[in-house]
Amino acid sequence: GAVVSQHPSRVICKSGTSVKIECRSLDFQATTMFWYRQFPKQSLMLMATSNEGSKATYEQGVEKDKFLINHASLTLSTLTVTSAHPEDSSFYICSARVGGYNEQFFGPGTRLTVL
Amino acid sequence: LAKTTQPISMDSYEGQEVNITCSHNNIATNDYITWYQQFPSQGPRFIIQGYKTKVTNEVASLFIPADRKSSTLSLPRVSLSDTAVYYCLVSQAGTALIFGKGTTLSVSS
Repeated sequence: GAVVSQHPSRVICKSGTSVKIECRSLDFQATTMFWYRQFPKQSLMLMATSNEGSKATYEQGVEKDKFLINHASLTLSTLTVTSAHPEDSSFYICSARVGGYNEQFFGPGTRLTVL
Repeated sequence: LAKTTQPISMDSYEGQEVNITCSHNNIATNDYITWYQQFPSQGPRFIIQGYKTKVTNEVASLFIPADRKSSTLSLPRVSLSDTAVYYCLVSQAGTALIFGKGTTLSVSS
């Protein structure tokens, strides 16, 4: 159990376009989902925390108008990278947690390449 | 900021026991200690979690001294497939996990 999926697994887009990444908890309801970004050879950096039905909380330095997060249901959160640029190329990873519990379950990640 | 400090890298050979120690001097009373493993281009995978003393599961053991200012992840008889980055995290239930730099473990034959 406790499986988190992401779609797509990899995406290549042109500069200036928008890309949507989906994160789903397959066998549990996630009251909270998190979005991370990871550059090559670096650690995961928390971008935002999203609770179902409410606005996401962004970490300092993360542009909320550029990285749109929607958590419309207990099993789905989406991250939209708007007007993507090459510097947005990265590995985006989501995670999900059942309310009150400490363990977070991570998705397999999405590799975004902006040309 | 991450609340933990780990060695940047460690080397081992197949069949050996590997112990990775993590420092968390400012751990709070409500904090748990969790270890994750990450392979390249994959999301982190939960290994083990503990609060105090010793925890063991099918893949690892976690040793936490009484003062809880450090913890040691023990991997028995590593294999080549254990080559990965290992992250030690300290967090309270319900809060986001903040990752530090992690320890890159390289296992050779």
